[in-house]
Amino acid sequence: AQSVTQLGSHVSVSEGALVLLRCNYSSSVPPYLFWYVQYPNQGLQLLLKYTSAATLVKGINGFEAEFKKSETSFHLTKPSAHMSDAAEYFCAVLTHFGNEKLTFGTGTRLTIIP
Amino acid sequence: EAQVTQNPRYLITVTGKKLTVTCSQNMNHEYMSWYRQDPGLGLRQIYYSMNVEVTDKGDVPEGYKVSRKEKRNFPLILESPSPNQTSLYFCASSQSRGALYFNYGYTFGSGTRLTVV
Repeated sequence: AQSVTQLGSHVSVSEGALVLLRCNYSSSVPPYLFWYVQYPNQGLQLLLKYTSAATLVKGINGFEAEFKKSETSFHLTKPSAHMSDAAEYFCAVLTHFGNEKLTFGTGTRLTIIP
Repeated sequence: EAQVTQNPRYLITVTGKKLTVTCSQNMNHEYMSWYRQDPGLGLRQIYYSMNVEVTDKGDVPEGYKVSRKEKRNFPLILESPSPNQTSLYFCASSQSRGALYFNYGYTFGSGTRLTVV
């Protein structure tokens, strides 16, 4: 079964610093990968998705992710952190095309230090 | 506004008292799904529905029921809630498979925080 692993349940960065959130996938076939963001007391919002077009995917709010097949990774980055980026971030992989199920990682809580 | 609406947002109940969490979407989506979110476990799928009258179990279906009598509604039923069902629940919908799905992905509701005492 396809799955994703997020390394680091909590990440803290200073305002203006690089944000790097890690996600590795396991998949025997080309995966479809997603990053979602969850702000406090809200539902999940799609940040970006990889669907085998371009390996560098740009999303909303200045985030981007690069699909690296050799490393089975899909890490999320943002060059300069902003206070409003504080949230929980989930990596997900589309499994079971018949089910259309998204299988989520365990999440990474991002804290921005002023 | 295109959205998935869940009610209630917060619910405290007692063990064994049947409850229903409602979910409604106004996007004419075929696919709907329920997830529960627990600390350290991420989101896990409970049930899903590919279309009206078509439902199936996800990864953690025990203790839950669903129905899909209309396209827009997908209620989650807990016949006899127990404390281990205390969680944050999300309903999500999407277009069915194929290009439309990858263009839009899932739309999530705002969540229902359930506490069973």
